[in-house]
Amino acid sequence: DAGVIQSPRHEVTEMGQEVTLRCKPISGHDYLFWYRQTMMRGLELLIYFNNNVPIDDSGMPEDRFSAKMPNASFSTLKIQPSEPRDSAVYFCASSLYGRDGYTFGSGTRLTVV
Amino acid sequence: AQKITQTQPGMFVQEKEAVTLDCTYDTSDQSYGLFWYKQPSSGEMIFLIYQGSYDEQNATEGRYSLNFQKARKSANLVISASQLGDSAMYFCAMRGSFGGGYNKLIFGAGTRLAVHP
Repeated sequence: DAGVIQSPRHEVTEMGQEVTLRCKPISGHDYLFWYRQTMMRGLELLIYFNNNVPIDDSGMPEDRFSAKMPNASFSTLKIQPSEPRDSAVYFCASSLYGRDGYTFGSGTRLTVV
Repeated sequence: AQKITQTQPGMFVQEKEAVTLDCTYDTSDQSYGLFWYKQPSSGEMIFLIYQGSYDEQNATEGRYSLNFQKARKSANLVISASQLGDSAMYFCAMRGSFGGGYNKLIFGAGTRLAVHP
Protein backbone atom coordinates (compact mmCIF):
# COMPACT_ATOMS: atom_id res chain seq x y z
CA ASP A 1 0.00 0.00 0.00
CA ALA A 2 1.29 3.47 -0.85
CA GLY A 3 0.17 4.91 2.47
CA VAL A 4 -1.89 8.05 2.93
CA ILE A 5 -1.39 10.31 -0.05
CA GLN A 6 -1.80 14.06 0.22
CA SER A 7 -1.62 16.63 -2.51
CA PRO A 8 -0.22 19.10 -3.12
CA ARG A 9 2.91 18.92 -0.94
CA HIS A 10 3.30 22.69 -1.03
CA GLU A 11 0.81 25.39 -1.86
CA VAL A 12 1.42 29.10 -2.02
CA THR A 13 -1.62 31.25 -2.62
CA GLU A 14 -2.74 34.81 -2.28
CA MET A 15 -5.06 35.99 0.42
CA GLY A 16 -8.68 35.67 -0.66
CA GLN A 17 -8.12 32.73 -2.98
CA GLU A 18 -9.76 29.35 -2.59
CA VAL A 19 -7.49 26.49 -1.57
CA THR A 20 -8.30 22.79 -1.84
CA LEU A 21 -6.21 20.14 -0.12
CA ARG A 22 -6.64 16.51 -1.07
CA CYS A 23 -6.20 13.22 0.70
CA LYS A 24 -6.37 9.57 -0.31
CA PRO A 25 -6.54 7.32 2.75
CA ILE A 26 -5.26 3.78 3.03
CA SER A 27 -7.66 1.35 1.43
CA GLY A 28 -9.88 -0.31 4.03
CA HIS A 29 -9.36 2.28 6.72
CA ASP A 30 -12.65 3.53 8.13
CA TYR A 31 -11.49 6.69 9.88
CA LEU A 32 -10.05 9.80 8.26
CA PHE A 33 -8.72 12.81 10.17
CA TRP A 34 -7.62 16.28 9.14
CA TYR A 35 -5.08 18.05 11.39
CA ARG A 36 -3.44 21.45 11.24
CA GLN A 37 0.05 22.01 12.67
CA THR A 38 1.42 25.42 13.60
CA MET A 39 4.19 26.49 15.92
CA MET A 40 1.79 28.38 18.13
CA ARG A 41 -1.05 25.85 18.41
CA GLY A 42 0.66 22.52 17.76
CA LEU A 43 -1.36 19.72 16.17
CA GLU A 44 -5.05 20.56 16.11
CA LEU A 45 -7.74 18.13 15.07
CA LEU A 46 -9.96 19.93 12.59
CA ILE A 47 -12.48 17.28 11.57
CA TYR A 48 -12.79 13.53 11.30
CA PHE A 49 -14.89 11.08 9.34
CA ASN A 50 -16.03 7.53 10.04
CA ASN A 51 -17.15 5.53 7.02
CA ASN A 52 -17.23 8.75 4.98
CA VAL A 53 -19.56 10.49 7.42
CA PRO A 54 -18.33 13.62 9.24
CA ILE A 55 -18.43 12.89 12.95
CA ASP A 56 -16.94 15.91 14.66
CA ASP A 57 -16.07 19.20 13.00
CA SER A 58 -15.78 21.20 16.21
CA GLY A 59 -12.13 21.87 15.47
CA MET A 60 -12.81 23.65 12.19
CA PRO A 61 -11.76 27.20 12.97
CA GLU A 62 -14.47 29.03 11.07
CA ASP A 63 -16.96 28.80 8.26
CA ARG A 64 -14.25 29.46 5.72
CA PHE A 65 -13.14 25.87 6.27
CA SER A 66 -15.08 22.93 4.88
CA ALA A 67 -14.29 19.25 4.39
CA LYS A 68 -15.91 16.49 2.39
CA MET A 69 -15.45 12.79 1.93
CA PRO A 70 -17.48 11.77 -1.12
CA ASN A 71 -16.22 8.19 -1.04
CA ALA A 72 -13.95 5.91 0.95
CA SER A 73 -10.88 6.77 -1.08
CA PHE A 74 -10.94 10.54 -1.22
CA SER A 75 -11.34 13.58 1.00
CA THR A 76 -10.88 17.31 0.53
CA LEU A 77 -10.31 20.22 2.87
CA LYS A 78 -11.25 23.55 1.38
CA ILE A 79 -10.50 27.05 2.62
CA GLN A 80 -12.45 29.87 1.00
CA PRO A 81 -11.39 32.63 1.21
CA SER A 82 -7.88 31.95 2.51
CA GLU A 83 -6.13 34.27 4.95
CA PRO A 84 -2.46 34.57 6.00
CA ARG A 85 -3.27 33.07 9.41
CA ASP A 86 -4.28 29.86 7.66
CA SER A 87 -0.63 29.26 6.82
CA ALA A 88 0.28 25.91 8.37
CA VAL A 89 1.01 22.29 7.60
CA TYR A 90 -2.17 20.31 7.07
CA PHE A 91 -2.03 16.59 7.71
CA CYS A 92 -4.46 13.90 6.74
CA ALA A 93 -4.43 10.60 8.63
CA SER A 94 -6.39 7.40 8.35
CA SER A 95 -6.90 4.45 10.64
CA LEU A 96 -8.67 1.19 11.26
CA TYR A 97 -9.49 0.83 14.90
CA GLY A 98 -6.77 -1.27 16.43
CA ARG A 99 -3.24 -1.34 17.71
CA ASP A 100 -1.31 -0.28 14.66
CA GLY A 101 -1.60 3.46 15.03
CA TYR A 102 -2.87 6.11 12.73
CA THR A 103 -1.05 6.56 9.44
CA PHE A 104 -0.30 10.10 8.45
CA GLY A 105 0.24 11.55 5.03
CA SER A 106 3.28 13.67 4.27
CA GLY A 107 1.31 16.86 4.85
CA THR A 108 0.57 19.92 2.75
CA ARG A 109 2.51 23.05 3.63
CA LEU A 110 0.18 25.97 2.92
CA THR A 111 1.45 29.50 2.69
CA VAL A 112 -1.04 32.32 2.25
CA VAL A 113 0.55 35.63 1.27
CA ALA B 1 -12.09 17.28 29.43
CA GLN B 2 -9.57 15.07 27.69
CA LYS B 3 -6.07 16.44 27.53
CA ILE B 4 -2.48 15.41 26.88
CA THR B 5 0.34 17.24 28.68
CA GLN B 6 3.99 17.13 27.71
CA THR B 7 5.88 19.34 30.14
CA GLN B 8 9.32 19.16 28.52
CA PRO B 9 9.54 21.51 25.53
CA GLY B 10 13.11 20.40 24.88
CA MET B 11 15.44 17.66 26.03
CA PHE B 12 18.94 16.69 25.15
CA VAL B 13 20.80 13.44 25.65
CA GLN B 14 24.22 12.06 24.90
CA GLU B 15 24.47 9.46 22.19
CA LYS B 16 24.11 5.89 23.50
CA GLU B 17 22.39 7.00 26.70
CA ALA B 18 18.75 6.43 27.58
CA VAL B 19 16.21 9.23 27.75
CA THR B 20 12.67 9.50 29.11
CA LEU B 21 10.09 11.79 27.58
CA ASP B 22 7.18 12.60 29.88
CA CYS B 23 3.50 12.43 29.04
CA THR B 24 0.49 12.74 31.30
CA TYR B 25 -3.09 12.52 30.19
CA ASP B 26 -6.56 13.18 31.45
CA THR B 27 -9.71 11.38 30.39
CA SER B 28 -12.81 9.94 31.98
CA ASP B 29 -12.94 7.14 29.40
CA GLN B 30 -12.27 3.63 30.67
CA SER B 31 -11.09 2.44 27.28
CA TYR B 32 -8.47 4.50 25.51
CA GLY B 33 -5.18 4.16 23.70
CA LEU B 34 -1.90 6.00 24.04
CA PHE B 35 0.51 6.58 21.18
CA TRP B 36 3.90 8.13 20.60
CA TYR B 37 4.86 9.67 17.27
CA LYS B 38 8.19 10.98 16.02
CA GLN B 39 8.41 13.98 13.70
CA PRO B 40 11.90 14.51 12.25
CA SER B 41 12.91 17.75 10.61
CA SER B 42 11.58 16.45 7.30
CA GLY B 43 8.09 16.77 8.76
CA GLU B 44 6.52 13.35 8.44
CA MET B 45 4.71 11.79 11.40
CA ILE B 46 6.11 8.38 12.28
CA PHE B 47 4.23 6.02 14.57
CA LEU B 48 6.48 4.57 17.28
CA ILE B 49 4.51 2.69 19.91
CA TYR B 50 1.03 2.02 21.26
CA GLN B 51 -0.37 1.15 24.69
CA GLY B 52 -3.98 0.18 25.34
CA SER B 53 -5.60 1.19 28.61
CA TYR B 54 -6.33 -2.44 29.46
CA ASP B 55 -2.88 -3.71 28.57
CA GLU B 56 -1.18 -5.02 31.67
CA GLN B 57 2.30 -5.14 30.19
CA ASN B 58 4.21 -2.06 29.14
CA ALA B 59 4.57 -1.83 25.37
CA THR B 60 7.98 -2.23 23.78
CA GLU B 61 9.13 -1.78 20.19
CA GLY B 62 12.84 -2.21 19.68
CA ARG B 63 14.62 0.63 21.49
CA TYR B 64 11.32 2.23 22.46
CA SER B 65 9.33 1.34 25.53
CA LEU B 66 6.32 2.94 27.09
CA ASN B 67 6.26 3.29 30.88
CA PHE B 68 2.52 3.13 31.51
CA GLN B 69 1.33 4.08 34.99
CA LYS B 70 -2.43 4.04 34.79
CA ALA B 71 -3.17 5.29 38.30
CA ARG B 72 -0.91 8.28 37.74
CA LYS B 73 -2.23 8.74 34.19
CA SER B 74 1.23 8.84 32.75
CA ALA B 75 2.64 7.24 29.60
CA ASN B 76 6.30 8.13 29.38
CA LEU B 77 8.40 7.13 26.37
CA VAL B 78 11.80 5.62 27.08
CA ILE B 79 14.36 5.55 24.29
CA SER B 80 17.31 3.33 25.07
CA ALA B 81 20.77 3.70 23.51
CA SER B 82 19.99 7.03 21.82
CA GLN B 83 21.23 7.58 18.29
CA LEU B 84 21.86 10.78 16.39
CA GLY B 85 18.90 9.92 14.18
CA ASP B 86 16.61 10.09 17.19
CA SER B 87 16.87 13.88 17.16
CA ALA B 88 13.32 14.96 16.39
CA MET B 89 10.05 16.20 17.83
CA TYR B 90 8.14 13.59 19.81
CA PHE B 91 4.39 13.70 20.32
CA CYS B 92 2.28 11.83 22.82
CA ALA B 93 -1.28 11.19 21.67
CA MET B 94 -4.44 9.66 23.07
CA ARG B 95 -7.28 7.90 21.31
CA GLY B 96 -10.70 7.76 22.86
CA SER B 97 -14.34 8.41 22.30
CA PHE B 98 -14.31 11.14 24.95
CA GLY B 99 -18.03 10.87 25.33
CA GLY B 100 -18.67 11.24 21.63
CA GLY B 101 -19.21 7.61 20.74
CA TYR B 102 -16.49 7.56 18.10
CA ASN B 103 -12.74 7.40 18.37
CA LYS B 104 -10.55 10.41 17.81
CA LEU B 105 -6.85 11.07 18.36
CA ILE B 106 -5.61 14.16 20.20
CA PHE B 107 -2.00 15.28 20.65
CA GLY B 108 0.20 16.88 23.25
CA ALA B 109 2.39 19.89 22.49
CA GLY B 110 5.45 17.76 21.83
CA THR B 111 9.01 17.50 23.14
CA ARG B 112 12.01 18.34 20.98
CA LEU B 113 14.82 15.87 21.57
CA ALA B 114 18.40 16.61 20.60
CA VAL B 115 20.94 13.80 20.67
CA HIS B 116 24.51 14.97 21.08
CA PRO B 117 27.55 12.95 19.93
